[in-house]
Amino acid sequence: GAVVSQHPSRVICKSGTSVKIECRSLDFQATTMFWYRQFPKQSLMLMATSNEGSKATYEQGVEKDKFLINHASLTLSTLTVTSAHPEDSSFYICSAGRGSNQPQHFGDGTRLSIL
Amino acid sequence: AQTVTQSQPEMSVQEAETVTLSCTYDTSESDYYLFWYKQPPSRQMILVIRQEAYKQQNATENRFSVNFQKAAKSFSLKISDSQLGDAAMYFCAYPTEKLVFGKGTKLTVNP
Repeated sequence: GAVVSQHPSRVICKSGTSVKIECRSLDFQATTMFWYRQFPKQSLMLMATSNEGSKATYEQGVEKDKFLINHASLTLSTLTVTSAHPEDSSFYICSAGRGSNQPQHFGDGTRLSIL
Repeated sequence: AQTVTQSQPEMSVQEAETVTLSCTYDTSESDYYLFWYKQPPSRQMILVIRQEAYKQQNATENRFSVNFQKAAKSFSLKISDSQLGDAAMYFCAYPTEKLVFGKGTKLTVNP
């Protein structure tokens, strides 16, 4: 069964709305989770590393004020797309692993559409 | 920094035939892991197979096997007896403190 749960799977909302996406590790504690964005027919682009109890580490070019990450517990990380606009429409996917060099387990992803 | 290269944007195979997807990588580490992930149209990311660099034996998972050439820094994925359900994007990945992905290979399986 799934070890990482991501919710919601699909969001359609108006421009200017803030959208929160949750990522939960179901059967292990994850001090680190990862958030990716994927454009059609492309690879996963790492946006940020979510660190439990501390600030997220953002990749170059990713606006931290636009994409707010909170990792309040060892099993939950949230990504909030603030004041979303049509260019933020994309597929967002999270992952968590049991440790370095271990495979990442991925959520099922969230398809975000901003009208 | 580690890099992963997949030089085949698209590949196709006839059902029941064998196909090999290529992946090369660059690292200065001597002990590491490598992964192949599959992303079907549902867009779930599914771990297909993993290889530990210190193991000389190539990893095998049912119809999936790898050809790991450490000196050449090559990590190809072989899919035997291809099935329609194998159609997907395949990503080669190198784990560091985060996963470094290749650009992916889109595999089409023809009936």
